Amino acid sequence: GQNIDQPTEMTATEGAIVQINCTYQTSGFNGLFWYQQHAGEAPTFLSYNVLDGLEEKGRFSSFLSRSKGYSYLLLKELQMKDSASYLCAVSLPEYGGATNKLIFGTGTLLAVQP
Amino acid sequence: GAVVSQHPSWVICKSGTSVKIECRSLDFQATTMFWYRQFPKQSLMLMATSNEGSKATYEQGVEKDKFLINHASLTLSTLTVTSAHPEDSSFYICRAAGVGSGTDTQYFGPGTRLTVL
Repeated sequence: GQNIDQPTEMTATEGAIVQINCTYQTSGFNGLFWYQQHAGEAPTFLSYNVLDGLEEKGRFSSFLSRSKGYSYLLLKELQMKDSASYLCAVSLPEYGGATNKLIFGTGTLLAVQP
Repeated sequence: GAVVSQHPSWVICKSGTSVKIECRSLDFQATTMFWYRQFPKQSLMLMATSNEGSKATYEQGVEKDKFLINHASLTLSTLTVTSAHPEDSSFYICRAAGVGSGTDTQYFGPGTRLTVL
């Protein structure tokens, strides 16, 4: 089976930095995605890592270690609007190319407090 | 950028009826459609994968006779929840992928909220 684990909930303060971890054990690996999802809406793409290391994109950074089956999403300068669920998803090379199968982690609900 | 639409955005139906949800890719050809279900405060669970013109592949535990998936064209896939029951109430989201779409930009539909009374 596929196991992708995240903390269920986290709380952080506006202006601070928060790190959301994701560990995975999957039958294959073709990259790892991070998505943000507000209640009642579809997920929106944040980042994609396929090689080890840190990818930075504005206030958001994502790290991947394939040997450890581990990733994290780092959010800096937290804003109230960052309160949302954050989902990591592993891309499995089911069909190859762009049509990879995405399996989602359990999701982390982040609450940003004033 | 590419847009994927879903219709309806929300639906309320009586127990025992069937509901059809459409997922359309508006400006690219979706060779593969993925259907997900999300219960409140839970993550997205993959239900099935369909390739255009082929039968859908269902994940373990998902009843193929209850959740009928059709992907007859490169721009349209439908999910029909047959004989819906209250436990089928959920948020259903499609994800479209096609030739040429980058692996870092998978396109989700906006989702359909199904409530079965």
